[in-house]
Amino acid sequence: QVQLKESGPGLVQPSQTLSLTCTVSGFSLTSNSVHWVRQPPGKGLEWVGAIWSGGSTDYNSALKSRLSISRDTSKSQVFLKMNSLQTEDTAIYFCTRWVRDWGQGVMVTVSS
Amino acid sequence: EIVLTQSPTTMAASPGEKVTLNCLASSSVSYMNWYQQKSGASPKLWIYGTSNLASGVPNRFSGSGSGTSYSLTISSMEAEDVATYYCLQLSSYPYTFGAGTKLELK
Repeated sequence: QVQLKESGPGLVQPSQTLSLTCTVSGFSLTSNSVHWVRQPPGKGLEWVGAIWSGGSTDYNSALKSRLSISRDTSKSQVFLKMNSLQTEDTAIYFCTRWVRDWGQGVMVTVSS
Repeated sequence: EIVLTQSPTTMAASPGEKVTLNCLASSSVSYMNWYQQKSGASPKLWIYGTSNLASGVPNRFSGSGSGTSYSLTISSMEAEDVATYYCLQLSSYPYTFGAGTKLELK
């Protein structure tokens, strides 16, 4: 069945770079899009960006200058990199297939 | 960017009561998705393409709307429906979520 699992550091220092991995199973990245969505503690959902089946990407314009999404299809992994982190980037980060099937999320705290 | 405004922000409904949650878009969108999120859990796709129930969603739920106005309706509230519901537009980038409606049991 379709599964997605996020992984990455739980704590990142301000101004540093966040690197997250979404490992998927049960579907092919060359036939499906993977999106990243984040949720600050106690707040709502924010669409971060996506990588499409053909490998092209789209980003939230508010984050675009700091954000990169890529993939390794041979490993069934999607990567999110966000630089210049601030405390406002503290959130649970989810990866999702077509914004339909969701991973469990990974909590990222930006703090010194 | 299309802004989605959900109303009410919070509501409480009694078992058996009919519930309507609203999502108003700042510009016309082609369709709307809805997600249910329970405390401490990942969101779940609940309704897609405005009116299609996701797998496993009880048929007391329905979705409707067009243009800038969309809604999710529960025909008869049950305790298991307590959750926060979010709308999402996928018509233009960036995709945007509403701020959510928290539904409680009265």
